[in-house]
Amino acid sequence: SAVISQKPSRDICQRGTSLTIQCQVDSQVTMMFWYRQQPGQSLTLIATANQGSEATYESGFVIDKFPISRPNLTFSTLTVSNMSPEDSSIYLCSVEDTLAGEQYFGPGTRLTVT
Amino acid sequence: GENVEQHPSTLSVQEGDSAVIKCTYSDSASNYFPWYKQELGKGPQLIIDIRSNVGEKKDQRIAVTLNKTAKHFSLHITETQPEDSAVYFCAASSSYNTDKLIFGTGTRLQVFP
Repeated sequence: SAVISQKPSRDICQRGTSLTIQCQVDSQVTMMFWYRQQPGQSLTLIATANQGSEATYESGFVIDKFPISRPNLTFSTLTVSNMSPEDSSIYLCSVEDTLAGEQYFGPGTRLTVT
Repeated sequence: GENVEQHPSTLSVQEGDSAVIKCTYSDSASNYFPWYKQELGKGPQLIIDIRSNVGEKKDQRIAVTLNKTAKHFSLHITETQPEDSAVYFCAASSSYNTDKLIFGTGTRLQVFP
């Protein structure tokens, strides 16, 4: 399975600021996904990011709040903009192994907004 | 759209006993059902999955069963060990986008030595 890293692993941010989260995978993948996991909750898909095209956002998530970049087949970023305490969550990236049809997750970024 | 329900929300077992977690899904067109284990402070780890053309799949102490007619699938862990303690999530693929996973609400499993 792919090895996925995320930076930063955790951060504490002031409300009104923005944070960019990086996701790096050790092999080329077509599809990358960004999820949010609120404290003690399940995983909710924010958007799907394919290289060379605009990210596709799920209902309730907008590009202005969560802009995503996907410059190549091994890297993506998610920005959480104009943060509020309600944005305090774990943000996870995942990749799909197209041949196996399986998704693998990174370790997550734990964000606290004060 | 797809909806996945997961039960129980918490499960406590004695070491060596079996644990069973059940999920139901709403969309009969869903065809892929993975299970993830999430330990504290870590990302979810894929532990086993099953596709709609198979009724059961085993991997050592872990097994998954799928009942397409009833639209439910279950995770079975035998001979539980303390290191099995974690939160387990089931998921089902969306029928209109098979790359999209819809997750259950999670089950916190505690295995007492």
